[in-house]
Amino acid sequence: DGGITQSPKYLFRKEGQNVTLSCEQNLNHDAMYWYRQDPGQGLRLIYYSQIVNDFQKGDIAEGYSVSREKKESFPLTVTSAQKNPTAFYLCASTLTGGLNEQFFGPGTRLTVL
Amino acid sequence: SQQGEEDPQALSIQEGENATMNCSYKTSINNLQWYRQNSGRGLVHLILIRSNEREKHSGRLRVTLDTSKKSSSLLITASRAADTASYFCATLNDYKLSFGAGTTVTVRA
Repeated sequence: DGGITQSPKYLFRKEGQNVTLSCEQNLNHDAMYWYRQDPGQGLRLIYYSQIVNDFQKGDIAEGYSVSREKKESFPLTVTSAQKNPTAFYLCASTLTGGLNEQFFGPGTRLTVL
Repeated sequence: SQQGEEDPQALSIQEGENATMNCSYKTSINNLQWYRQNSGRGLVHLILIRSNEREKHSGRLRVTLDTSKKSSSLLITASRAADTASYFCATLNDYKLSFGAGTTVTVRA
C-alpha cells in the first residue's frame, strides 16, 4: 500500500530530552513537510524539504531540526530548546513542485511530562 | 503564519441538511485547498481549486473561489453522520500551504 507512515503514534518525553519523530513515504514524492497542530488550531509549518539533502525553515522552526538524507524519509527532532513541545505533529508529502494536494500521515502526539 | 480564516468556527446540522463554511485569506495564492480531519487523525485532501477557477465540484462537495474578495466557500450537500469532522482551508503560496483554524462540523442523526 502506498502512503505515509509516522511513528510512534504516542510519545512521552521528559523535559530536557531530545526526541525524534519518524516520517516515511513510499509515494515517490519529492517534497515533504512537518506541521504542528495545537488544540483547536490549524496547522503551522515547522520545516519543509523539496528535494533530498535540502530543507527550509517554516514559520515555527525554533527548537526543531530535520534531515533529508533519503527521498523516503524526513525525521523531525524536537530538541530541549523547544519551549512548549506538547502538540500533535503531522508529516505530509506532495509531488514535485508542491503545487498539488498534500498527503498526510496519521500523526504523532507528543506529550512532555 | 496562518493566512486562511474559516467561518463559522463550529456548525451543527441535521443529517440530510447542507453545510456551508467560508474561508478568507489575505495575500495572492497559487491555489486553495480544502482538507478534512477526523478527531485525532491526519488530514485528508478534499478538493483543490486553482486561482483561475471559480467553482469546482467533487461528489457532494462544491467549492467556490472569489479571488477579488479573497474568499472561498465549501458546501457539503445532503450531509451524513460520517461528515462529522473539522474542515480546513489552506492557501498555497510560494510552494507552502497556510492553514486556517478550521470549522468543526457536527452532523446529528
